[in-house]
Amino acid sequence: AQSVAQPEDQVKVAEGNPLTVKCTYSVSGNPYLFWYVQYPNRGLQFLLKYITGDNLVKGSYGFEAEFNKSQTSFHLKKPSALVSDSALYFCAVSPPNNFNKFYFGSGTKLNVKP
Amino acid sequence: DTAVSQTPKYLVTQMGNDKSIKCEQNLGHDTMYWYKQDSKKFLKIMFSYNNKELIINETVPNRFSPKSPDKAHLNLHINSLELGDSAVYFCASRLNTGELFFGEGSRLTVL
Repeated sequence: AQSVAQPEDQVKVAEGNPLTVKCTYSVSGNPYLFWYVQYPNRGLQFLLKYITGDNLVKGSYGFEAEFNKSQTSFHLKKPSALVSDSALYFCAVSPPNNFNKFYFGSGTKLNVKP
Repeated sequence: DTAVSQTPKYLVTQMGNDKSIKCEQNLGHDTMYWYKQDSKKFLKIMFSYNNKELIINETVPNRFSPKSPDKAHLNLHINSLELGDSAVYFCASRLNTGELFFGEGSRLTVL
């Protein structure tokens, strides 16, 4: 069965500190992995994706994510958090060669304190 | 110049009523989706259409009927609304490279 897990409901960091939002997946083959951000009362916005190639992918707003095949993880990172990064973050996975289906994680609320 | 637009943004109605949510995308994408986000923020795929053809129907009750008159539009009609249908419904379209573009959501409240 295909699935994606975000083990933390909430992550709290101080502004200026590095942040990590965790994601692990269970998909047979080489999956396609995505991160999306949702601000209050808004739709989800694409941040970045991993399809193939370099394990470290860079995305919007200074975010990056590292694909780790052995640990089946795709953690979202940012070197220096901003208060404006506070939002709900979703990891998503698609089976190989099949963008039609997306499996979303349960979401992690990021709270960046001034 | 909104990419994916949904109407209405808010919908409050009584149990048993029928309602529709409309979605339009001006991105030229072939594939569109309906997602349901519940009160705990879980996102669940409901339907997917590719060039007006249904390709995903995720065990959604028959009371929910999507309609795609053309590849730029995907509407959702819900019959006999129930309390459990209260949620935020998101329309999305997809680039061929996988990225989803979401609308702003339609918050449905069933009383």
